[in-house]
Amino acid sequence: EAGVAQSPRYKIIEKRQSVAFWCNPISGHATLYWYQQILGQGPKLLIQFQNNGVVDDSQLPKDRFSAERLKGVDSTLKIQPAKLEDSAVYLCASSLDIPGRGTDTQYFGPGTRLTVL
Amino acid sequence: AQKVTQAQTEISVVEKEDVTLDCVYETRDTTYYLFWYKQPPSGELVFLIRRNSFDEQNEISGRYSWNFQKSTSSFNFTITASQVVDSAVYFCALLYSSASKIIFGSGTRLSIRP
Repeated sequence: EAGVAQSPRYKIIEKRQSVAFWCNPISGHATLYWYQQILGQGPKLLIQFQNNGVVDDSQLPKDRFSAERLKGVDSTLKIQPAKLEDSAVYLCASSLDIPGRGTDTQYFGPGTRLTVL
Repeated sequence: AQKVTQAQTEISVVEKEDVTLDCVYETRDTTYYLFWYKQPPSGELVFLIRRNSFDEQNEISGRYSWNFQKSTSSFNFTITASQVVDSAVYFCALLYSSASKIIFGSGTRLSIRP
């Protein structure tokens, strides 16, 4: 079974530029998550989708970050404009979440390492 | 408050030693899940184990074992006969059902020296 796919793996941009990351979850997984992991810290949830609807985006800096999952499968996370403090690894995860079975385990992709200069 | 504390920032041991990674959690939920993930240098978070709050039975998987104690709110992870390939950052995480949200500890960097 293929895992969570993410691209690109690395990205270097200058501050005030825009950047987009792509994620394709494990086939059949209803829930998709985007996390930000700053060096030396644990991942922090940015946004959670259930199919194509947003479940939680309370920690997403909406003035510069946006995310979509239009067809309920793959997803794009965008930063516009980027700041120096956005330098981090952006991790995508997915979980199956069968109704009535409780919240399932999240499986993570390899991440995109973003450097903002 | 929901919180996960991994007090050990870094641990370094010689190969074949046993090592225990500590995890202490806080939650007011009665139903919750605890996880351990491994993050090797490649960056991907690899799922190791999931435990629900009603199952305090300890688990062993090869050289890995987990000790879940609700009385002390701890979910510790032991690697027996450590190997160089065990070198990674290990994260403990808590998923509390009232918000279906997972929070991670700050991680423990484990280095196994040959």
